[in-house]
Amino acid sequence: DAGVIQSPRHEVTEMGQEVTLRCKPISGHDYLFWYRQTMMRGLELLIYFNNNVPIDDSGMPEDRFSAKMPNASFSTLKIQPSEPRDSAVYFCASSLTSVSYEQYFGPGTRLTVT
Amino acid sequence: QKEVEQNSGPLSVPEGAIASLNCTYSDRGSQSFFWYRQYSGKSPELIMSIYSNGDKEDGRFTAQLNKASQYVSLLIRDSQPSDSATYLCAALLASGGSYIPTFGRGTSLIVHP
Repeated sequence: DAGVIQSPRHEVTEMGQEVTLRCKPISGHDYLFWYRQTMMRGLELLIYFNNNVPIDDSGMPEDRFSAKMPNASFSTLKIQPSEPRDSAVYFCASSLTSVSYEQYFGPGTRLTVT
Repeated sequence: QKEVEQNSGPLSVPEGAIASLNCTYSDRGSQSFFWYRQYSGKSPELIMSIYSNGDKEDGRFTAQLNKASQYVSLLIRDSQPSDSATYLCAALLASGGSYIPTFGRGTSLIVHP
């Protein structure tokens, strides 16, 4: 299997622009997680899905952030409008229910908002 | 606020020594614990999971869980320079009817030749 796939790998955008991050989980995995990692706050869970349904979005920082999972093989994380404080590495991860949230991470998207 | 705590380090050990990484968690009801390794500029990689009290061994790695003390540790035997990385402890913490994977800030390990 190719593992978790994320795109783009790097994104540089100006404040106020819309940013869309994409993720393809490992085939057969029924959980998908979005994380943000910064030096200040470490690795933070933003939202996770089970069978394409959002289970917990309490980590989404504000209404500027939204996430969707229209099918089992694709998810997006959108930031609109983006702000400089959104600069971070965003990771997507997936897991199988049967192994209790053992997560496999994608390579991440490094977002820079200027 | 439910948390997972780790010493940020760095923990420096000589090659061939045992590295001991520690983690505490605040949710007494938590049942599932994980150790991830993250090399600089890379994504976290799962090393081990542990769900029951006691030790679990996988090659040079041993995870230890003590639920009464709310304490998880990772031992790395015969440490190699390639083990130099940040080690993240994670726990599933109950929150509002669901389980939230919660990560510690990580411990930086340096293995010097």
